Amino acid sequence: QKEVEQDPGPLSVPEGAIVSLNCTYSNSAFQYFMWYRQYSRKGPELLMYTYSSGNKEDGRFTAQVDKSSKYISLFIRDSQPSDSATYLCAMFAGNNRLAFGKGNQVVVIP
Amino acid sequence: GAGVSQSPSNKVTEKGKDVELRCDPISGHTALYWYRQSLGQGLEFLIYFQGNSAPDKSGLPSDRFSAERTGGSVSTLTIQRTQQEDSAVYLCASSRDRASGNTIYFGEGSWLTVV
Repeated sequence: QKEVEQDPGPLSVPEGAIVSLNCTYSNSAFQYFMWYRQYSRKGPELLMYTYSSGNKEDGRFTAQVDKSSKYISLFIRDSQPSDSATYLCAMFAGNNRLAFGKGNQVVVIP
Repeated sequence: GAGVSQSPSNKVTEKGKDVELRCDPISGHTALYWYRQSLGQGLEFLIYFQGNSAPDKSGLPSDRFSAERTGGSVSTLTIQRTQQEDSAVYLCASSRDRASGNTIYFGEGSWLTVV
């Protein structure tokens, strides 16, 4: 079993819809949970990070962590064409590296 | 600088040649990471530097890969005798220190194509 599972299937939504992305993980030592956004031919950009279970909101973005279920989510409200990108979940156990999911390609159709 | 800087941004090389990829981290960041991203894959950890400590090389895929960090700042990733499977984006990242690993910032990557 991979440390971090993220269904890489592309996701197309109409403008204004809610985008829902999620990852599951197996390592109980993960304490920090991040979402990165990556535009085509660009490096990943840190979008959200949370520590432990709970919700964190930043504008149209909400990150949720459920450590008991080892499940994290990212919601994008009122999606815009500029949100079209690949979204990568990442997790950190306080050691030397982040563990990444494979990423979800999101396309917001005007 | 304002962000993590990587060069070259694109590199096409012939199979069997050596390549060097450079990373200049954010000023003041002591932790530096190299990751590799292949088409359709997530990011694969390669190597981690923290200050003057011995690097964590556990992610390097073979002995053809090596990296160094001079003066605690600029890092160079070297791939010897490149193979076609080495074609990928090589991403460098930095954070303020090890404890700040939850806020790691990436460069734009070096896009390597081995023909």
